[in-house]
Amino acid sequence: DAGVIQSPRHEVTEMGQEVTLRCKPISGHDYLFWYRQTMMRGLELLIYFNNNVPIDDSGMPEDRFSAKMPNASFSTLKIQPSEPRDSAVYFCASIPTPGQRNEQYFGPGTRLTVT
Amino acid sequence: AQSVTQLDSQVPVFEEAPVELRCNYSSSVSVYLFWYVQYPNQGLQLLLKYLSGSTLVKGINGFEAEFNKSQTSFHLRKPSVHISDTAEYFCAVLSQGGSEKLVFGKGTKLTVNP
Repeated sequence: DAGVIQSPRHEVTEMGQEVTLRCKPISGHDYLFWYRQTMMRGLELLIYFNNNVPIDDSGMPEDRFSAKMPNASFSTLKIQPSEPRDSAVYFCASIPTPGQRNEQYFGPGTRLTVT
Repeated sequence: AQSVTQLDSQVPVFEEAPVELRCNYSSSVSVYLFWYVQYPNQGLQLLLKYLSGSTLVKGINGFEAEFNKSQTSFHLRKPSVHISDTAEYFCAVLSQGGSEKLVFGKGTKLTVNP
């Protein structure tokens, strides 16, 4: 298996623009997670899905952030409008069902820079 | 709610020296414990995990960790490090029987010098 795939790997955009990050989980994995990593705050869980349904979005910072999972093999994280403080590395991870006890498989991340 | 404290943000060591990366957690319920490693410009990958049973857990690349319930600790050790162990290490907890929400520590940057 190719592992968790994220695109793009790097994104540079200007403040105010819309940004869409993409993730393809490992085939057969029913849980998908979005994380944000910064020097100041470390690794934060933004949202996670089970069987394409959002289960916990309490980590989504504000209404500018939205995430969708239209099918089992694809998810997006959208920021609109983007701000410089959104600059971070965004990771996607997936686990199979049953989820408990299983390691999370992380993608390589998308490095977002908002100028 | 759970929380994880990694006491050292940076640990420099010389090649072939032993190393211990410290992790303490706080939780009102029983937890599963994990150590992940992140190499530069990569995602995280699992080093080892404690679910139950023996409190000494062995992982990949010669790492091991010991679960100490009374001290709520899960320290990571390696008897002899290599240059290739230079990376950031994250301790994480997951509540048993709860959600899938993994709570990570802030990470420890291990630098192995020749």
